Amino acid sequence: QKEVEQDPGPLSVPEGAIVSLNCTYSNSAFQYFMWYRQYSRKGPELLMYTYSSGNKEDGRFTAQVDKSSKYISLFIRDSQPSDSATYLCAMNRDDKIIFGKGTRLHILP
Amino acid sequence: DTGVSQNPRHKITKRGQNVTFRCDPISEHNRLYWYRQTLGQGPEFLTYFQNEAQLEKSRLLSDRFSAERPKGSFSTLEIQRTEQGDSAMYLCASSLAGTYNEQFFGPGTRLTVL
Repeated sequence: QKEVEQDPGPLSVPEGAIVSLNCTYSNSAFQYFMWYRQYSRKGPELLMYTYSSGNKEDGRFTAQVDKSSKYISLFIRDSQPSDSATYLCAMNRDDKIIFGKGTRLHILP
Repeated sequence: DTGVSQNPRHKITKRGQNVTFRCDPISEHNRLYWYRQTLGQGPEFLTYFQNEAQLEKSRLLSDRFSAERPKGSFSTLEIQRTEQGDSAMYLCASSLAGTYNEQFFGPGTRLTVL
């Protein structure tokens, strides 16, 4: 079993819809939970990170962590075509980051 | 531009040749990381430095791979005797020590081994 599991998609939703992206993990020692966005042929860009269970909001983005279920989510409200990208969940182990495979998201105009 | 930069952006080489990539981190960042990303996968950790010291290497980093960070500034990643399986995007990231969860990535170097 991989430490971090993420459905690769692709996920297609109409513009304006709420998007839900999810990851599960197996290592209860993970402390930080991050979401990166990666556009085609670019490096990943950190969107947000959380340290504990609960919700964290930043503009149209909300990150949610449920440590008891080992499940994290990223919600995107009022999705825009510019949100079309690959979204990578990531978690720390020691001083390193372990990434999920990424979910390809397409926002349809 | 004060972000992480990588050169070259693209490299095409023939199997068996040596290649070297360069990464310039954000100037005040003392941590520098190398990752490899293949199609449809997330980045995989290769190695990282704190200042000039290489603190950890992944088992993915075979003997053909070597990384340096002289003087704790830019870093180079060299692959000797390239193989077709080395074709990937090589990403560099930097952070401040203690904020490894806030790594900033460069645009990557895309390597194609023919």
